[in-house]
Amino acid sequence: SQQGEEDPQALSIQEGENATMNCSYKTSINNLQWYRQNSGRGLVHLILIRSNEREKHSGRLRVTLDTSKKSSSLLITASRAADTASYFCATSGFQKLVFGTGTRLLVSP
Amino acid sequence: EAQVTQNPRYLITVTGKKLTVTCSQNMNHEYMSWYRQDPGLGLRQIYYSMNVEVTDKGDVPEGYKVSRKEKRNFPLILESPSPNQTSLYFCASSLSSWYEQYFGPGTRLTVT
Repeated sequence: SQQGEEDPQALSIQEGENATMNCSYKTSINNLQWYRQNSGRGLVHLILIRSNEREKHSGRLRVTLDTSKKSSSLLITASRAADTASYFCATSGFQKLVFGTGTRLLVSP
Repeated sequence: EAQVTQNPRYLITVTGKKLTVTCSQNMNHEYMSWYRQDPGLGLRQIYYSMNVEVTDKGDVPEGYKVSRKEKRNFPLILESPSPNQTSLYFCASSLSSWYEQYFGPGTRLTVT
């Protein structure tokens, strides 16, 4: 399986700080996606970066992709308490989207 | 409103009693899939479907069945549930596996 692995597993920061989480994967991909999950709820798509892209922005989110290192990072700038959630990377290969184990982010007021 | 619905949301059952979790989407998506989520293991794909009557195994298909008779529906069937199938289940749909997935709200299943 080409399951991604997020690092760190858990991250605790204060409001206003930036949060960075990393994802590593094992095989070649078509694209890499990041999702957010509030406790026990369905996942929500945040951003998709194609394999030929190196960086992408969406609001306070910045995603980078390094296919040579098979890694990606998600940066959330100026974090808010409402950003508290689990974040998952997912790699898109042949007919499948494979999720990592997630990073739990806690943003304290 | 574009959405994926799952029913039931919560289910407690006993070992061996057949059950079905329904999944329906209203976005005319061709690709649908089922995942289970367990602590420390992330989301693992059970089955997926590229289109009507086309289904294939994901990473953890043992003990599960699916069918795709209509584009909008993709039920998950547990013919003889066992306690190790206690988990949080998610259905998702998309234009294809390459695109953004839309997730249902989840079904929390407990098998005793």
